[in-house]
Amino acid sequence: AQSVTQLDSHVSVSEGTPVLLRCNYSSSYSPSLFWYVQHPNKGLQLLLKYTSAATLVKGINGFEAEFKKSETSFHLTKPSAHMSDAAEYFCVVSERGFQKLVFGTGTRLLVSP
Amino acid sequence: DAGVTQSPTHLIKTRGQHVTLRCSPISGHKSVSWYQQVLGQGPQFIFQYYEKEERGRGNFPDRFSARQFPNYSSELNVNALLLGDSALYLCASSFRDGNQPQHFGDGTRLSIL
Repeated sequence: AQSVTQLDSHVSVSEGTPVLLRCNYSSSYSPSLFWYVQHPNKGLQLLLKYTSAATLVKGINGFEAEFKKSETSFHLTKPSAHMSDAAEYFCVVSERGFQKLVFGTGTRLLVSP
Repeated sequence: DAGVTQSPTHLIKTRGQHVTLRCSPISGHKSVSWYQQVLGQGPQFIFQYYEKEERGRGNFPDRFSARQFPNYSSELNVNALLLGDSALYLCASSFRDGNQPQHFGDGTRLSIL
C-alpha cells in the first residue's frame, strides 16, 4: 500500500524567506510523486510531478522538489515566499501506471508580510 | 479552453436523500476520477472511469456509484445520504489512463442536514 506523511500541519514564513514543506512517502513500487496546491474554496492545482526522470523536479511559480529514495522523501521548496503562496499544499503518491492518487493530510502555508 | 467544470457548486440535502453530482472534463480528456475531501483532510479516491469503463474504485460503500457517458462527462451518485457524506466532491480529468497529469475542477460542496 502506498501512503504519504506530511510532517507539518502548518508552516509559517515571512514574505521573501525560503519555504520548506516536508513529505515522506511509502510505496511498494517505484512511485510517482506529486505536489498539489489548493487555495480556499478552490480545486487542486498541480505544482510539479516526479515520474523517475531527474530527481530534482522544477514546477510552476518557482517551486521545486527533490526525490530522495534513500530517505523516502519528496520535500517541496521555494527560495522566496510570496503572499500569494499562502494555501494548502498536498503531497501525493500514485503507483506508476495507475490514476489513483493517494493524498497526504496537507500542510497549510501561512505567509506574513 | 474551459477547465474541468462541476455542477452544482453547492448543494444542501437531508439525511436519507439521494444526490447526483456532475462533471465535464477538459475537451479531449477521456479519463475522469472522483474524490471526496472532508473538511481538514486530504482528498480520498472514490472512482476512476476511462472510456466509459470503471478502472478503479476506492474504499467507499455501495451507496456511492458513478458512470461515464459517451461524451466523457460523468455523474457521481450517492444514495441514502448520511451526515458523514458532507464534503467537497472533486472531479479530475486526464487525457488518458495511466500516469497522466490530472486536472481538477473546483468541486461541489455537499452539506447534509
